[in-house]
Amino acid sequence: DTAVSQTPKYLVTQMGNDKSIKCEQNLGHDTMYWYKQDSKKFLKIMFSYNNKELIINETVPNRFSPKSPDKAHLNLHINSLELGDSAVYFCASSQVGGTSGGHNEQFFGPGTRLTVL
Amino acid sequence: DAKTTQPNSMESNEEEPVHLPCNHSTISGTDYIHWYRQLPSQGPEYVIHGLTSNVNNRMASLAIAEDRKSSTLILHRATLRDAAVYYCILRVYNNNDMRFGAGTRLTVKP
Repeated sequence: DTAVSQTPKYLVTQMGNDKSIKCEQNLGHDTMYWYKQDSKKFLKIMFSYNNKELIINETVPNRFSPKSPDKAHLNLHINSLELGDSAVYFCASSQVGGTSGGHNEQFFGPGTRLTVL
Repeated sequence: DAKTTQPNSMESNEEEPVHLPCNHSTISGTDYIHWYRQLPSQGPEYVIHGLTSNVNNRMASLAIAEDRKSSTLILHRATLRDAAVYYCILRVYNNNDMRFGAGTRLTVKP
């Protein structure tokens, strides 16, 4: 069973289009994240949701809007795509608190490679 | 945020031990030391974490300096499947904010 899944795996689109990437986790975690990994391979956190509430919102353009319909899903919608949005986007989840002793291991999905032409 | 410094790349021979260093001289008392790795074309995966004492698990060992200003991830017998980028990350207790650096790219030679 896939713990954190993302769809689609590859996404090729034209500049100016609007697209969404879906993420689902079946681990029962209460926190989900979106990360962006650019062409230089730097991995940067974009958003974090805890129990459907936004708790981390890094400096990303407001063209990016995360949507969490429930604890198991965190989708990423991108408006007016630009060339610089081309990257691999990773979704992740973790269980904050509890008996993990601050461990808070994050489980990552396989990534979605977005190419904007 | 406390930062970490790692070598850009390291090489190892298959079935030999690998010691991956990480410097974190500005670490605070509430920072845990976490290690993740990213295999080619995959998302990062958790390896190990610790606070003050050395730690062992099925994947690796973590040796933490007494002053906590540095740590070393130890892979006891490197395999070809261990070729990945290894990230050393400092995280405050129970904080879900995780900041990745450039990491160390480990190459394992047969």
